[in-house]
Amino acid sequence: GENVEQHPSTLSVQEGDSAVIKCTYSDSASNYFPWYKQELGKRPQLIIDIRSNVGEKKDQRIAVTLNKTAKHFSLHITETQPEDSAVYFCAARRIRGSNYKLTFGKGTLLTVNP
Amino acid sequence: DTGVSQNPRHKITKRGQNVTFRCDPISEHNRLYWYRQTLGQGPEFLTYFQNEAQLEKSRLLSDRFSAERPKGSFSTLEIQRTEQGDSAMYLCASSSTGDISYEQYFGPGTRLTVT
Repeated sequence: GENVEQHPSTLSVQEGDSAVIKCTYSDSASNYFPWYKQELGKRPQLIIDIRSNVGEKKDQRIAVTLNKTAKHFSLHITETQPEDSAVYFCAARRIRGSNYKLTFGKGTLLTVNP
Repeated sequence: DTGVSQNPRHKITKRGQNVTFRCDPISEHNRLYWYRQTLGQGPEFLTYFQNEAQLEKSRLLSDRFSAERPKGSFSTLEIQRTEQGDSAMYLCASSSTGDISYEQYFGPGTRLTVT
């Protein structure tokens, strides 16, 4: 089955700096890669996703890059703000097959210091 | 609120007792998933329904666990003879069919504590 590794497990940055979180996956058939943000005591919420037919996707201060050859993808947050502090999870799945289940990384606790 | 809802939000039970959780997905979503999340870990897949059919169960789901979605709407997850190792957050998610959006929408979870 799929295995997703995520690094780092914790990340502390100063407000305004950039943050990068990296994930690798094992199943070469995976072709959908979402990123979820989970604030303390809250539900995971999708912040951005990417499909394997593109290499990069941006949404305001958030971007995701994908390298299918190397089987890794990254989340980039620019101009970080205190409200970006949360746990971020990467995930992978096949668009079809494997019953659409997501395999998650272990998460990155991002702390943005004001 | 038209999002995924789960009840109860918190459950404390004694070892050996049975517990049942409920998930109400977004109304037009026919796919429903259960995940389990322990402290410091990402959600782990437990089981998946398409409409009322349970199409996959993880090896994490022992014989003490059973899930149903009788009418293809809400779902229940029952744990029999609970053990301390069952203590976790149980998350439900739903999604629609079709290629427009692959997003799985998560509920707030049910936090189970087994004493």
